[in-house]
Amino acid sequence: DQQVKQNSPSLSVQEGRISILNCDYTNSMFDYFLWYKKYPAEGPTFLISISSIKDKNEDGRFTVFLNKSAKHLSLHIVPSQPGDSAVYFCAASVGGNQFYFGTGTSLTVIP
Amino acid sequence: SQTIHQWPATLVQPVGSPLSLECTVEGTSNPNLYWYRQAAGRGLQLLFYSVGIGQISSEVPQNLSASRPQDRQFILSSKKLLLSDSGFYLCAWSTSGDRPYYEQYFGPGTRLTVT
Repeated sequence: DQQVKQNSPSLSVQEGRISILNCDYTNSMFDYFLWYKKYPAEGPTFLISISSIKDKNEDGRFTVFLNKSAKHLSLHIVPSQPGDSAVYFCAASVGGNQFYFGTGTSLTVIP
Repeated sequence: SQTIHQWPATLVQPVGSPLSLECTVEGTSNPNLYWYRQAAGRGLQLLFYSVGIGQISSEVPQNLSASRPQDRQFILSSKKLLLSDSGFYLCAWSTSGDRPYYEQYFGPGTRLTVT
């Protein structure tokens, strides 16, 4: 049973515009959330995280928003760049050890 | 700095053959270690994790097993591969300590095709 869901398998955005990647989860006990970026044939690399005591975390062009009541988090990339084209995974955990990953969203940033 | 190694990068094995994938971490001590699989069209599925030598927790029942013979070495094995074992296998590590959570850092992965 998929506890973390990314319902959009792909997303295309023009360079310079905002990319919004969404993630929904079912377990209300999740308290830590991570976003990873993955290029083909490589392992995922950590992007940004948020704990359940916050509703927003920013790191440069990347901002993660958490809506606990809706069990929803999103990753905003502003402005989007062609190098951002990759698959993005969200992951959630209870207690920070075992993370459950979503199925990923493939982002294409069009120059 | 910390480095994680995985090999081989690609592997083609017939059904029923054994499997051994190795993962090693450098530059850190007593890491938590993880094995994930990404099957086609699916997310990353946690298979095993280890918080210390000889300590293995399994998340999904399957014909795979894991071992941690040394602090920074994690091995994924199977005695007889199935077609459904095909996928992209990723090893990851995280620091262990008192913080509430730690990011996981992934290796380059192994593409396994069972024929």
